[in-house]
Amino acid sequence: GQSLEQPSEVTAVEGAIVQINCTYQTSGFYGLSWYQQHDGGAPTFLSYNALDGLEETGRFSSFLSRSDSYGYLLLQELQMKDSASYFCAWGNTDKLIFGTGTRLQVFP
Amino acid sequence: EAQVTQNPRYLITVTGKKLTVTCSQNMNHEYMSWYRQDPGLGLRQIYYSMNVEVTDKGDVPEGYKVSRKEKRNFPLILESPSPNQTSLYFCASSLTATGKHEQFFGPGTRLTVL
Repeated sequence: GQSLEQPSEVTAVEGAIVQINCTYQTSGFYGLSWYQQHDGGAPTFLSYNALDGLEETGRFSSFLSRSDSYGYLLLQELQMKDSASYFCAWGNTDKLIFGTGTRLQVFP
Repeated sequence: EAQVTQNPRYLITVTGKKLTVTCSQNMNHEYMSWYRQDPGLGLRQIYYSMNVEVTDKGDVPEGYKVSRKEKRNFPLILESPSPNQTSLYFCASSLTATGKHEQFFGPGTRLTVL
């Protein structure tokens, strides 16, 4: 079956850099997305990688290596408000499969 | 304001009592989806729709129905709810024209089936 694996939890301190990994086993390829979800809130889109390489959006960057079936989300200059769950997702606009999520806790 | 709305936000019901969760978006998006979120399982797609009158099953469609009679609305119907459908449900919409494949999520509906 198709699956995406992420670490369940990551901790870091304010100002640090953290990397959240995602490895996937899927048939075919569309693209890898990342979503952020705060407790009690809805997922919000962060980034999408259709091709190999790094996509940068402000403090957040996302990387994809299709040959390794691997991607990661890099968060720089961590802030307390970055404490949330982060999900990678494989697919395209209509059909999307999510990983089980990584809970990031940022400490002062 | 561009948004996806869901109603109700919270619902407690009993086994077998039919219910509908509404979803509406005002962004003229072609694609709409329903997900359920359960602890440790992430978000799982229930159904999706590529446009009016075009729907398809996601990964966990059993026990659910959907319809897409208008572009803006995509209701989720549980004909005979069971306790294993207790979950947090999200509706989402998206537009492919941007190439980002970004999905916009509604605020969620927390459903409890007793």
